[in-house]
Amino acid sequence: GQNIDQPTEMTATEGAIVQINCTYQTSGFNGLFWYQQHAGEAPTFLSYNVLDGLEEKGRFSSFLSRSKGYSYLLLKELQMKDSASYLCAVTPGGGGSYIPTFGRGTSLIVHP
Amino acid sequence: DSGVTQTPKHLITATGQRVTLRCSPRSGDLSVYWYQQSLDQGLQFLIQYYNGEERAKGNILERFSAQQFPDLHSELNLSSLELGDSALYFCASSPQEGLAGDEQFFGPGTRLTVL
Repeated sequence: GQNIDQPTEMTATEGAIVQINCTYQTSGFNGLFWYQQHAGEAPTFLSYNVLDGLEEKGRFSSFLSRSKGYSYLLLKELQMKDSASYLCAVTPGGGGSYIPTFGRGTSLIVHP
Repeated sequence: DSGVTQTPKHLITATGQRVTLRCSPRSGDLSVYWYQQSLDQGLQFLIQYYNGEERAKGNILERFSAQQFPDLHSELNLSSLELGDSALYFCASSPQEGLAGDEQFFGPGTRLTVL
């Protein structure tokens, strides 16, 4: 089975940096996604990591350590519009299906 | 705007009723996925169709069924509705059958309220 853990809620200040952690235990591994979801809206893709290391994309970076079953999403220069839920999703290995399993999400509140 | 459309946006119905949710994938995408999102469960995968055929099945109840039509739009049918079925239902699409690393493009969702 799959088990994905993320903090339920985090708060941060506009302009600051925040790191959202995700730990997982899965049967096999074929990559990890981060999605952003504003309240009542559709999730939108942020990043995909399949190899260890840091992937940087503008203000957002995502890190993966497969041996530790650990990932984080780093958001820099926080803006009010970054207030949203951040979903970690892990793609299992084998079996011919690569449907990602989503964590419950971390609700990030950015305040002035 | 992801290019995925879903109708209706909101649906309010009573217990025991049956409803149909509709999804049109992005132009050219062959796979459609259905998800249920409730406050206590997060985003739960229900079922995937690829080019008209069922490709993968998740935690979909027997009261729920889906299909994908030749024009690639999909419908999710929910019957004998219960209060606990109240949730946001998302449809997503991807170009191929869902390979590792394939990004899914989500529609705006249908909010179902069962009274």
